[in-house]
Amino acid sequence: AQSVTQPDIHITVSEGASLELRCNYSYGATPYLFWYVQSPGQGLQLLLKYFSGDTLVQGIKGFEAEFKRSQSSFNLRKPSVHWSDAAEYFCAVGFQGAQKLVFGQGTRLTINP
Amino acid sequence: KAGVTQTPRYLIKTRGQQVTLSCSPISGHRSVSWYQQTPGQGLQFLFEYFSETQRNKGNFPGRFSGRQFSNSRSEMNVSTLELGDSALYLCASSRLNPRDEQFFGPGTRLTVL
Repeated sequence: AQSVTQPDIHITVSEGASLELRCNYSYGATPYLFWYVQSPGQGLQLLLKYFSGDTLVQGIKGFEAEFKRSQSSFNLRKPSVHWSDAAEYFCAVGFQGAQKLVFGQGTRLTINP
Repeated sequence: KAGVTQTPRYLIKTRGQQVTLSCSPISGHRSVSWYQQTPGQGLQFLFEYFSETQRNKGNFPGRFSGRQFSNSRSEMNVSTLELGDSALYLCASSRLNPRDEQFFGPGTRLTVL
């Protein structure tokens, strides 16, 4: 079955520290991969996406993600977090195109001052 | 360019009633997808409409239905509401290519009493 796993439900990091959020998927081929962020009371905002090509993709707000086919992973990274990065982050996979997404359970990010 | 708009933003209904939620996509977008977000189940795909036709469907009971109009605006309807239908309902729009990412609206918060 097609599935997306975000192993970390909640992560706390200090402001200025580096961040890595994990995402693994289960699928036979390479799907479309996305990271979205959701602030309280808001909809989802796209951070970055991967379809093919260079496995390291750059997104908005200083985020990047690396696709590793051998590990079926698409981890999100940021070298130095800001207090405004506190939010919930969702990894999403489009197994049949970008219009039907399967989401991970989300990782809530807390930033310590 | 205006984003995806959803109306109403908040709704309170009682069990057994029905409800209709509305979504206006970004101008030029022809695909509209709907998602349900709950604390327990996370984000789940409901259905997608393209050119007034349902193109994809998730695993929800027949009480959940939708439609799309010629101007790409979409509505979803939930009949015979149950307490478990309380959720944030998110609408997303995209262009027509399978690689075109989705842009999400702020959601409609439905509470069923």
